[in-house]
Amino acid sequence: AQKITQTQPGMFVQEKEAVTLDCTYDTSDQSYGLFWYKQPSSGEMIFLIYQGSYDEQNATEGRYSLNFQKARKSANLVISASQLGDSAMYFCAMREVGYSTLTFGKGTMLLVSP
Amino acid sequence: GAVVSQHPSWVICKSGTSVKIECRSLDFQATTMFWYRQFPKQSLMLMATSNEGSKATYEQGVEKDKFLINHASLTLSTLTVTSAHPEDSSFYICSAIHRGTGTEAFFGQGTRLTVV
Repeated sequence: AQKITQTQPGMFVQEKEAVTLDCTYDTSDQSYGLFWYKQPSSGEMIFLIYQGSYDEQNATEGRYSLNFQKARKSANLVISASQLGDSAMYFCAMREVGYSTLTFGKGTMLLVSP
Repeated sequence: GAVVSQHPSWVICKSGTSVKIECRSLDFQATTMFWYRQFPKQSLMLMATSNEGSKATYEQGVEKDKFLINHASLTLSTLTVTSAHPEDSSFYICSAIHRGTGTEAFFGQGTRLTVV
C-alpha cells in the first residue's frame, strides 16, 4: 500500500488565488514528520514546510501553510495568493520514526495562470 | 536554510565510461546523505542511504557494483555510475540530513546524466 497518496496529478489556479494540494499518508507510528517540497522545471527540490506529528498547531511558512488533520491522516498544502513562479511539481513526503529516509508521493503538477 | 551543493548539474558521457557525482553539505554536517533517481514525470526513487564512514545501504534492485557510493566525510558523498549505459540516463539528486536538527532533508540541485 502506498504510504503517501497525492490524488491530484495536476492542478490549475489563477494568479492571486489560493490553492490546496492534497496529501494523505499511512503509518502506524505515533511519531513521524511530514514534508512538502517544490520541484520547478530546473529539477532542484526546494523544501517548503514541515509538520511534526506532535505539533499541535498547523505549520506555516509565508504563503505556505499545512492543513494537518491527524485523525484523517491528511497533510494538505495550502498556497495563498498564488504567483506565476509557483508553477512547479509539488511533492508530499513522510519520515517515520526509526527511519531516516523520506517516502515521497507521486507529486502534483501545479500550473498558475495569469 | 542549509545548502547542499551537487556537482555537476548535467553531464553527457559515452557508453562504457564512469561518471562521478558529488554531493556536499556546504554549511552543516550531514550524518546521513541519500541518493535518489528520478525518471521524467515520476517521483523520486531512493537508491541508497549513505552514512559517513560506513558502507552505503542500497535499496532493493539497485546494483551496488554499478552505483558506487562513498561517504568520505560529514560533508561529502559521491555517487559513481560505473560502466554507464543509455538506460542509466536519468536525473540523480542527493539530499542530506542536518546533523544538528535531524529533521529537514535538504536537496542538491540534481544532476542530469545522459549516456550516449
